[in-house]
Amino acid sequence: SQKIEQNSEALNIQEGKTATLTCNYTNYSPAYLQWYRQDPGRGPVFLLLIRENEKEKRKERLKVTFDTTLKQSLFHITASQPADSATYLCAFGGYQKVTFGTGTKLQVIP
Amino acid sequence: DGGITQSPKYLFRKEGQNVTLSCEQNLNHDAMYWYRQDPGQGLRLIYYSQIVNDFQKGDIAEGYSVSREKKESFPLTVTSAQKNPTAFYLCASSILAGGHNEQFFGPGTRLTVL
Repeated sequence: SQKIEQNSEALNIQEGKTATLTCNYTNYSPAYLQWYRQDPGRGPVFLLLIRENEKEKRKERLKVTFDTTLKQSLFHITASQPADSATYLCAFGGYQKVTFGTGTKLQVIP
Repeated sequence: DGGITQSPKYLFRKEGQNVTLSCEQNLNHDAMYWYRQDPGQGLRLIYYSQIVNDFQKGDIAEGYSVSREKKESFPLTVTSAQKNPTAFYLCASSILAGGHNEQFFGPGTRLTVL
């Protein structure tokens, strides 16, 4: 069955460094990958979408890559700040719906 | 202000009772979704609707029911048949169904069964 995996362990990094989060998928070839941010007790907020024919997408300090050979997406936050601390969810897009990963919790330490 | 609202924020229910969670959007989106989130399990799709008067089961529809009588409203009923209903419920909408459209989420309803 289709599976999307994110590192369930929290990622702790020092302020100012680049945070890199990984999303792997199996048994599927999504046309789209999406990334969301979720703060505790709140709904997710959309950040970026990348298509299968795009290798990389950027938005301000955020960068997403999509490697269809490795079946992997990487999500980077450069010059990280404590305000970036949250859980980040990846999701792959199908014809009618989106399937979410379990999320990775990022903690940026001042 | 355009957005998606859910009510109530917190809901307590006794075992054996049905309960309905509200979801309203004024974004003029065609597609709406209900997800359930448990600790460590991410978002799991319960039901989704691509258009008024039509909806499809998601991955964990058993024990739930929905209706889509109006474009802006997609209420979810958690029935007594749902074995483990305590969870955080999230409603979302998108312009159209499909993975190429970003989803806008409501603030969520935390349901606790006593």
